[in-house]
Amino acid sequence: DTAVSQTPKYLVTQMGNDKSIKCEQNLGHDTMYWYKQDSKKFLKIMFSYNNKELIINETVPNRFSPKSPDKAHLNLHINSLELGDSAVYFCASSLGLAGGREQFFGPGTRLTVL
Amino acid sequence: AQTVTQSQPEMSVQEAETVTLSCTYDTSESDYYLFWYKQPPSRQMILVIRQEAYKQQNATENRFSVNFQKAAKSFSLKISDSQLGDAAMYFCACNNAGNMLTFGGGTRLMVKP
Repeated sequence: DTAVSQTPKYLVTQMGNDKSIKCEQNLGHDTMYWYKQDSKKFLKIMFSYNNKELIINETVPNRFSPKSPDKAHLNLHINSLELGDSAVYFCASSLGLAGGREQFFGPGTRLTVL
Repeated sequence: AQTVTQSQPEMSVQEAETVTLSCTYDTSESDYYLFWYKQPPSRQMILVIRQEAYKQQNATENRFSVNFQKAAKSFSLKISDSQLGDAAMYFCACNNAGNMLTFGGGTRLMVKP
């Protein structure tokens, strides 16, 4: 069983479209995250979500919005896609927010905006 | 703001030899953790090792160990008896309050047979 899964694995779309990436974890964790990895492999935190509390990295455009229907899911919605949004997006989860909690990562979704 | 720096974009090691990957960090947190993650070509992020900043003893996990120098804000990863499967991108990371990770730019490790 996959611990943290993401769908789709690959997403190709046109500039200006709206798209969503789904993330599900079956680890019983209560905290989930989204990270962006750009073409130079640089990884950056976008959001963390714990018990309905959302912590947003201030550099993330408001076109990005996480939505959590329940503790096992944290989906990423992106409006008005831009070329610079092309990247690999990773979902992760952990048990709690306490420092040092291991984060388990999904396989990543490669988003290509044309 | 928290920063993590990996000064070696690429490293190469002969199979069965030892290699050390460097990492420096800066944080205003008094209580923090440091991590090394491995990303093979499959792009799956895998935790290699974790160090609690308040612990002086260096963490070890089988062939992987760290040299944690708190005063110097240095956190290097040593891989002993390197194997072909160790070839990957390695990322150093530090967590902040809220457990969000700040990553370094990564080091690509190549293992020569």
